[in-house]
Amino acid sequence: GQQVMQIPQYQHVQEGEDFTTYCNSSTTLSNIQWYKQRPGGHPVFLIQLVKSGEVKKQKRLTFQFGEAKKNSSLHITATQTTDVGTYFCGWNDMRFGAGTRLTVKP
Amino acid sequence: KAGVTQTPRYLIKTRGQQVTLSCSPISGHRSVSWYQQTPGQGLQFLFEYFSETQRNKGNFPGRFSGRQFSNSRSEMNVSTLELGDSALYLCASSPLAGEGEQFFGPGTRLTVL
Repeated sequence: GQQVMQIPQYQHVQEGEDFTTYCNSSTTLSNIQWYKQRPGGHPVFLIQLVKSGEVKKQKRLTFQFGEAKKNSSLHITATQTTDVGTYFCGWNDMRFGAGTRLTVKP
Repeated sequence: KAGVTQTPRYLIKTRGQQVTLSCSPISGHRSVSWYQQTPGQGLQFLFEYFSETQRNKGNFPGRFSGRQFSNSRSEMNVSTLELGDSALYLCASSPLAGEGEQFFGPGTRLTVL
């Protein structure tokens, strides 16, 4: 079956540092989505990537979908305390990765 | 539009009991998916319903079941509760089946004692 690994599981950064989380699949994905879940909250949709090699930006967030559509990344530039939460990738048929929990030290 | 609503928000049960959770999707959304979330386990997919039919199912035992009504509201039932069933149960709705942005509800926090 399809295997998607999300790494790292945890990331602790100093405010102002960059952060990246990765999702890697053993098979080609038709699309990939990214969600953010604040502590005590529920996942909220950030973006969907569909095309091979696609790159999308939302302010300090950069999302990439690999050329082979087997991997994706979410990069945050100059983290802020408001970025704290767990970031999940989701793919075909509502499956989600294990998430990367980001904590930011002010 | 109102968001996804889930009831109850909190629930305490004892081992062996059964529980029913409810999810009302966003108006017009016909797909409802259920997830179990435990610390360190991410979002574990339970099942998806679309137009009253179970379209997809995750790797959970038969104690976990669900259904969807003609108004797209969905219920999830867990029978013979075990301690390990303690978790946050999230439902999500979307207009289409198996794709697109998922709109999550606030979840039901189930504690099994």
